[in-house]
Amino acid sequence: KNEVEQSPQNLTAQEGEFITINCSYSVGISALHWLQQHPGGGIVSLFMLSSGKKKHGRLIATINIQEKHSSLHITASHPRDSAVYICAVRPVSYRGGSEKLVFGKGTKLTVNP
Amino acid sequence: DSGVTQTPKHLITATGQRVTLRCSPRSGDLSVYWYQQSLDQGLQFLIQYYNGEERAKGNILERFSAQQFPDLHSELNLSSLELGDSALYFCASSVDPFFSELFFGSGTQLSVL
Repeated sequence: KNEVEQSPQNLTAQEGEFITINCSYSVGISALHWLQQHPGGGIVSLFMLSSGKKKHGRLIATINIQEKHSSLHITASHPRDSAVYICAVRPVSYRGGSEKLVFGKGTKLTVNP
Repeated sequence: DSGVTQTPKHLITATGQRVTLRCSPRSGDLSVYWYQQSLDQGLQFLIQYYNGEERAKGNILERFSAQQFPDLHSELNLSSLELGDSALYFCASSVDPFFSELFFGSGTQLSVL
């Protein structure tokens, strides 16, 4: 079993729909990252969370440390949101933080006009 | 633009050869991370340097090595290349090794023929 599980693997939506991508993990973490990868390969860091909720524009990320679960929401989705969204966690190490990231397999989102 | 520069963007080489990938971190960032992204394995952490010193190692093969120079740029050396080393190699940087936002370069696409 992977340490980081994302669902769904693929998601197709119509423009304007509200989208939720889920991430569950099985280890203690110091932080969780949401990344966006567009066709063509470049990776952009969307959020880094250690608790609570963060919002940036139409994107909202939440994390529940007790339940080891995070969600990424996109409101009023647009075709330019089409990308692969990757959840990555920093497992806690003996140093109290961690230098390593463990990645989920990604969720491929397609938003149709 | 993340501020992280990777060169070259594309590299085509033959099995058995050696290549060097280069990464210049964002101005002010002391930590550099290398990741490999392949179709079957997804994104995997290879190695991290902080201010010139190796900080953490992930799934890095013995044929691969890296270093971070005094000017903070980093190089990833891949030797005795095999077909399976074909992948997208990303560099990322952050201010410090813990709890920091990551900034990714655009990647080097390595094709081993």
